[in-house]
Amino acid sequence: EIVLTQSPGTLSLSPGERATLSCRASQSVSSDWLAWYQQKPGQAPRLLISGASSRATGIPDRFSGSGSVTDFTLTISRLEPEDFAVYYCQQYGSSPVTFGQGTRLEIK
Amino acid sequence: QLQLQESGPGLVKPSETLSLTCSVSGGSISSTKNYWGWIRQPPGKGLEWIGSIYYSGSTDYNPSLQGRLTISLDTSKNQLSLKLSSVTAADTALYNCAGGRYYYASGFVDAFDVWGQGTMVAVSS
Repeated sequence: EIVLTQSPGTLSLSPGERATLSCRASQSVSSDWLAWYQQKPGQAPRLLISGASSRATGIPDRFSGSGSVTDFTLTISRLEPEDFAVYYCQQYGSSPVTFGQGTRLEIK
Repeated sequence: QLQLQESGPGLVKPSETLSLTCSVSGGSISSTKNYWGWIRQPPGKGLEWIGSIYYSGSTDYNPSLQGRLTISLDTSKNQLSLKLSSVTAADTALYNCAGGRYYYASGFVDAFDVWGQGTMVAVSS
């Protein structure tokens, strides 16, 4: 099983700042099949990025994904108030599918 | 536009079987373009993949739940279902169904890009 470790656990930033979230895999993620989701309280997760770097439909271009093999990053270039949420990475290239434990992005 | 809606009992007794359904609208559950999955989230915790099912009915389960889990498709109702037997308090969670793209030619899948709102299930006597 591929274990995904996200860091930091909590990130405190202000609107307008740049956010960098990390996801490290215990083994190589097959074909860079790594996704990022955003989850707000009381809502289902929303897909932001798939294939490590492809933005999902309707996702603003301030969200970008990068990385490969075992080290992946989600960057939010300039934080908007609606971006404060919990972010999860997920690998779906190997079974079992696994999620990271999440990074909480909070307003400073 | 695909839409998913989960339904099921909000309370299940320990040792009993949890049964949930997910109604799919805006597309066919037997389409070769999609695959489906169940994901759960215990209160205040992170996401756990339960399992996935493909248009053919083939399944892929989380090993931690194997032996207790059945995921199936009901094409006549355009629904997928989840059955989890011998439940304990550890199975208390918000259960979501989700769908993603399936690339028939290669057998590859993409991430889950459509989610239901989820249904909360508590296991308690």
